[in-house]
Amino acid sequence: QVQLQESGPGLVKPSQTLSLTCTVSGGSISSGDYYWSWIRQPPGKGLEWIGYIYYSGSTYYNPSLKSRVTISVDTSKNQFSLKLSSVTAADTAVYYCARVSREFLELVYWGQGTLVTVSS
Amino acid sequence: SYVLTQPPSVSVAPGQTARITCGGNNIGSKSVHWYQQKPGQAPVLVVYDDSDRPSGIPERFSGSNSGNTATLTISRVEAGDEADYYCQVWDSSSDRLVFGGGTKLTVL
Repeated sequence: QVQLQESGPGLVKPSQTLSLTCTVSGGSISSGDYYWSWIRQPPGKGLEWIGYIYYSGSTYYNPSLKSRVTISVDTSKNQFSLKLSSVTAADTAVYYCARVSREFLELVYWGQGTLVTVSS
Repeated sequence: SYVLTQPPSVSVAPGQTARITCGGNNIGSKSVHWYQQKPGQAPVLVVYDDSDRPSGIPERFSGSNSGNTATLTISRVEAGDEADYYCQVWDSSSDRLVFGGGTKLTVL
């Protein structure tokens, strides 16, 4: 059974960079059948796709966040990471990592999510 | 950019059928996926590629997609089905994964 686990600081100051890591277990991140994605959900609101990465390093980003987002992959550690720069209170959200099927682009496996609060 | 429109809320009595819609321009040409999210939990995929169910999802959950509307149907609704439901597609014209705004299902 594939499991994903987010980790990183729960509090980030405004204008700083949010950094999170997703550790994948029960399967290889180097599998060619999947993308690896970040999604976020502000408190009380809906889901927003941030972007995803293939094991080779190729990326797709949400155009609305593209200028501030970097997603990277470390196949040796079976991890992928998110960096979001110049954060504001509007970036306060639960951040999820997930595995995306390349065939239909659905998200079958999700991490439990981690709340990141942007506040001074 | 591509927009998916869901009703904010749907209410249904136990044992009845709930239908949650997801509207989008020519959505029938896209592959639609549905997620169930209960409070404090990560979303769970309940229908993928319009009408297929992942293993472990009850047959009571089904989906359809045609024209400008996709529909998630939950038959014989139970109290445990009360949750938020989201539709999702990949918009190839903008290379963007898109979620609907979500629908809160209330079991009366």
